[in-house]
Amino acid sequence: DARVTQTPRHKVTEMGQEVTMRCQPILGHNTVFWYRQTMMQGLELLAYFRNRAPLDDSGMPKDRFSAEMPDATLATLKIQPSEPRDSAVYFCASGLAQETQYFGPGTRLLVL
Amino acid sequence: QKEVEQDPGPLSVPEGAIVSLNCTYSNSAFQYFMWYRQYSRKGPELLMYTYSSGNKEDGRFTAQVDKSSKYISLFIRDSQPSDSATYLCAMSSNAGNNRKLIWGLGTSLAVNP
Repeated sequence: DARVTQTPRHKVTEMGQEVTMRCQPILGHNTVFWYRQTMMQGLELLAYFRNRAPLDDSGMPKDRFSAEMPDATLATLKIQPSEPRDSAVYFCASGLAQETQYFGPGTRLLVL
Repeated sequence: QKEVEQDPGPLSVPEGAIVSLNCTYSNSAFQYFMWYRQYSRKGPELLMYTYSSGNKEDGRFTAQVDKSSKYISLFIRDSQPSDSATYLCAMSSNAGNNRKLIWGLGTSLAVNP
């Protein structure tokens, strides 16, 4: 049963610290998405990649967030420096098309 | 005004009831319409996928798209406690490979035994 995996599942950190979240997409999926979910804003697309190339990162605060795909089995999302307003659940999803996305379990981030 | 509007609920129904979940949208270019289900503390999972107008049925679930009214619905028949979750609608246009999903905020549903 192929699944998207994300690590860590939970992260508590202090303001100003660097946070790195990792995602392993489903083997064979060529598109990877990073989302942030909050109660107020819902699901927000931060960035996505196709065949490891970044296609859109317009949803990401560029001064502190960065997303990369060093290889086809790993996507990373980094926040440096982290701020309390970054507290949210971060989801990675993968798929072969925009419409059919398979989500990971999420990383719950709390920035104190 | 958001491109996609969805009543957040919560919606509470007794087991066996027919549930109707709805989204309205403003962009007439939307062609792909999805319903995702999200259980508490889990990631969303694709439930139904419809292209353009019409109905699609899968077991107890029926997705309906009315493009003239810019309105989509998800019906759940014979609802079960296991249907308790948040239901998110999502949609996209047919504008090439770089189209993005636009998401509703989700409707929280509780089915009571």
